[in-house]
Amino acid sequence: QKEVEQNSGPLSVPEGAIASLNCTYSDRGSQSFFWYRQYSGKSPELIMSIYSNGDKEDGRFTAQLNKASQYVSLLIRDSQPSDSATYLCAVRGKRLQAQLWSRKNEAAGNKLTFGGGTRVLVKP
Amino acid sequence: GAVVSQHPSRVICKSGTSVKIECRSLDFQATTMFWYRQFPKKSLMLMATSNEGSKATYEQGVEKDKFLINHASLTLSTLTVTSAHPEDSSFYICSARVDRVDKNIQYFGAGTRLSVL
Repeated sequence: QKEVEQNSGPLSVPEGAIASLNCTYSDRGSQSFFWYRQYSGKSPELIMSIYSNGDKEDGRFTAQLNKASQYVSLLIRDSQPSDSATYLCAVRGKRLQAQLWSRKNEAAGNKLTFGGGTRVLVKP
Repeated sequence: GAVVSQHPSRVICKSGTSVKIECRSLDFQATTMFWYRQFPKKSLMLMATSNEGSKATYEQGVEKDKFLINHASLTLSTLTVTSAHPEDSSFYICSARVDRVDKNIQYFGAGTRLSVL
C-alpha cells in the first residue's frame, strides 16, 4: 500500500463546476496535510495547508480533513480552465521529541510524502 | 508565501560533465532543504534531505557520491550531479521548509531541467 494515494485521473470538469479531489494516507500519526498545484513543466506551488479535522476555505478552494478516516480532500469551486493542472497531496508525519530519535529518524518523520497527483482538466 | 530561488533553470551538458544547482531561500532561513527529482508524468521523488551544517540524509537508492549536497548556510543548499550521464536527465526541484511552532510549510524552487547529451 502506498503511503499517500490519489486517483491519477484525468478528472475532467466543465468550466464553472466543482472539482473534487481525494487523497488517502496510511500513517495514522500524520499531522500536517498540504495540497500543491503543479502546471506541466513547472514546480509545485502551495495551495492549501490543513492541520485539524474539518474544512478550511481559501477563495475558491476548500480543503477537508478527516483524520479518523485518514483522508483529505480538495474542492475547487467555479472551476476555470486555468485550474487545469496536476494536484499533489502531501502528508507530513508526526514529529517526535528530538532526544528520542536519531537524526535520520527525525528527518524521516519530518519528511513530506507526496501522492502521485491527480490531473485535472477544466473544459471551457 | 516564502520565496525559494533555484538556479539555473535549464542545463544542457555533455556526458561526463558535473552540474551544480543552487537553491536559496530569499526571505527566510531554512534549517532544512530538500532535493527532489521528477521524471515526465511522474510524481516527485525525494532524493535527499539537506541539513545546514551537517551531512545530507539520502533516500534509499540515491547515490551520495553521484549527487553531492552541500548546505553551507541557512539560506543556501547546492546539489552537484557528478559525471552526469543521459539517464540523469530529469527535472530537479529543491524545496525549503519554513519552521514555525505549529506549522511546517515547504516551498519549492522553480526547478532545474537537466538534459545530458
